[in-house]
Amino acid sequence: KQEVTQIPAALSVPEGENLVLNCSFTDSAIYNLQWFRQDPGKGLTSLLLIQSSQREQTSGRLNASLDKSSGRSTLYIAASQPGDSATYLCAVRFLKTSYDKVIFGPGTSLSVIP
Amino acid sequence: DVKVTQSSRYLVKRTGEKVFLECVQDMDHENMFWYRQDPGLGLRLIYFSYDVKMKEKGDIPEGYSVSREKKERFSLILESASTNQTSMYLCASSYGRDYRTDTQYFGPGTRLTVL
Repeated sequence: KQEVTQIPAALSVPEGENLVLNCSFTDSAIYNLQWFRQDPGKGLTSLLLIQSSQREQTSGRLNASLDKSSGRSTLYIAASQPGDSATYLCAVRFLKTSYDKVIFGPGTSLSVIP
Repeated sequence: DVKVTQSSRYLVKRTGEKVFLECVQDMDHENMFWYRQDPGLGLRLIYFSYDVKMKEKGDIPEGYSVSREKKERFSLILESASTNQTSMYLCASSYGRDYRTDTQYFGPGTRLTVL
């Protein structure tokens, strides 16, 4: 069964710290992996997409890495700010699906304390 | 910028009512999706559509139906609302042409409460 998990479920850090969020998936045959941000009561906003042929993607203070063979991705946030407080979800598009299906992880709830 | 809009941010309905949730995208996307999101269960796919009048069941289609009469609009229908359908409903769309680079764009969500 294709599954996506995220650890930790919740994380609280002081402002300015660098932090890492983790995502694991059960099948290495993927098209891509994507990281989303969700603010309370809102929809999802795409942060970074890594294709299966890529190792990492960067956007500003965010860096996402992908290790297909071990079924892992990390989202690194540098110099965290209170505005980074949100839930972060990773989503994987697996190859072996009968339709355009993306499986989402449960998310990591991040609080950055001023 | 891609824009996905949903007809209501908050909705309160009574048990047994027929409920319509509407989603519109403005980027000529082929694929559209309806998810529900519940604490502890994450996002679960209800239905998706890959073309006008075409639909496929997702993981939890029971109690729901959908309609896609025009490419830009995808409606979710609760035929007879029940309290266990109280949830956050999220609509998304994607180009659906290259799965390597394709990304889903989400609407703001509809918080539905069924009393």
